[in-house]
Amino acid sequence: AQKVTQAQTEISVVEKEDVTLDCVYETRDTTYYLFWYKQPPSGELVFLIRRNSFDEQNEISGRYSWNFQKSTSSFNFTITASQVVDSAVYFCALSEAGRYTGANSKLTFGKGITLSVRP
Amino acid sequence: DAGVTQSPTHLIKTRGQQVTLRCSPKSGHDTVSWYQQALGQGPQFIFQYYEEEERQRGNFPDRFSGHQFPNYSSELNVNALLLGDSALYLCASSSRQRPFLVDKSGNTIYFGEGSWLTVV
Repeated sequence: AQKVTQAQTEISVVEKEDVTLDCVYETRDTTYYLFWYKQPPSGELVFLIRRNSFDEQNEISGRYSWNFQKSTSSFNFTITASQVVDSAVYFCALSEAGRYTGANSKLTFGKGITLSVRP
Repeated sequence: DAGVTQSPTHLIKTRGQQVTLRCSPKSGHDTVSWYQQALGQGPQFIFQYYEEEERQRGNFPDRFSGHQFPNYSSELNVNALLLGDSALYLCASSSRQRPFLVDKSGNTIYFGEGSWLTVV
């Protein structure tokens, strides 16, 4: 069975601070995908990143960066110089996948981390 | 290009009633998955439809049923509503035929804005 653990439940930072959101996953699959989503109060899940299990290269996109480590089954997300608009709930998710079939839309989500960025 | 659309946006039902939620997937997508998100929790997978058949199911009772139409749109039905069914119901669409079809952001799974169900 797949499992995603987001041990942090709530994080509060002051604007311009850096913040790291932790994600640890469990799966028996050798091929899988990892995702991060942002959920504002409106409820829509906003896609941030998708990473497959064959690619451990870390990624940076503007103020966002992701650190994927298969050895520790972690996929952590860092926001640099946080802004008030970053306030939201952030979810890490895992999907089973075939190497030639892409990510299955059956996702296993963590419980989410509520990030509050204060001015 | 329309994304995933869900209806209704909000609804209130009474215990014991039945509800139907609707989802139209993103253009070009053929697979629809449904999720339940209770307050303060992460989304939980209910089931997935492809080629008008239920392909995978999560740990939900038979009160939860679905349907997929030839145009790939889908319905989620919940019978004998309980107070605990109050939640945000999310629909996700993807493509089995073209699983690596990604947009500029690298996304392959698209979520709708959800239907907020309150059972009183």
